[in-house]
Amino acid sequence: RKEVEQDPGPFNVPEGATVAFNCTYSNSASQSFFWYRQDCRKEPKLLMSVYSSGNEDGRFTAQLNRASQYISLLIRDSKLSDSATYLCVVNAWGGSQGNLIFGKGTKLSVKP
Amino acid sequence: DGGITQSPKYLFRKEGQNVTLSCEQNLNHDAMYWYRQDPGQGLRLIYYSQIVNDFQKGDIAEGYSVSREKKESFPLTVTSAQKNPTAFYLCASSMDHGQPQHFGDGTRLSIL
Repeated sequence: RKEVEQDPGPFNVPEGATVAFNCTYSNSASQSFFWYRQDCRKEPKLLMSVYSSGNEDGRFTAQLNRASQYISLLIRDSKLSDSATYLCVVNAWGGSQGNLIFGKGTKLSVKP
Repeated sequence: DGGITQSPKYLFRKEGQNVTLSCEQNLNHDAMYWYRQDPGQGLRLIYYSQIVNDFQKGDIAEGYSVSREKKESFPLTVTSAQKNPTAFYLCASSMDHGQPQHFGDGTRLSIL
C-alpha cells in the first residue's frame, strides 16, 4: 500500500459546485496532516492543517478519520481560482522520523 | 518580507558537470529540505537538515550533496553521478522538523 494515496482526478466541476477530495495514508502512527495546493508549474502552498476534530476555513473544510486512516477536503461554492492540484500531506513518524510524505495530488478544474 | 528564495529559476547542466542550486530563508526556521518533482509525480525528498551543521539523506539522495553551514542557507549540488537530473527542484523550510513546510518557488533543471 502506498504511504499516501489520492485519486489523481481530474475533477471537472462548474463554478459554484461542491467538491470533495479523499486521501488515505498507511502509517497509523502519523500525527500531523495537511492539505497543500499547487498551481501549474508553481511551488506547493499550505492550504490548511487538518485537526482531529475537523476544521473549517471559509469555503474549505478538512476532516480526519484516524480509525480508517482517511483525510478529506471539501470545497464549497467552487471558484475559477480554485483550479489547482491539491496535495494530501502526512507527517510520518516512526520509520520516517517526522518527514512529510506528499501524495501525488488531485487535480481540480473549475469551469465557468 | 520573510520567505524562501531559490536561484536560479532555470538551470542547464552539461554532461559531466556539477551544478549548485541555491536556497536561502529569512524565516528563522531550523529545518530545511530539498525535494525533486517530476512531471505528474509527487514530491520526493532528497536531503533534509534539522539544524545547522547537520543533514540527513532522504529517499533519493544518490547523485546529490548538500551543506548547512548557516541557518539561512541550504545549497544543493547536483553531481555528474546523477544521471537523470531533469526535474523541478523545490526547497522548503519549517520551524521545526515535522511542522508545515513553506516552499521556495523552485528551480527547473534541464540537461543541455
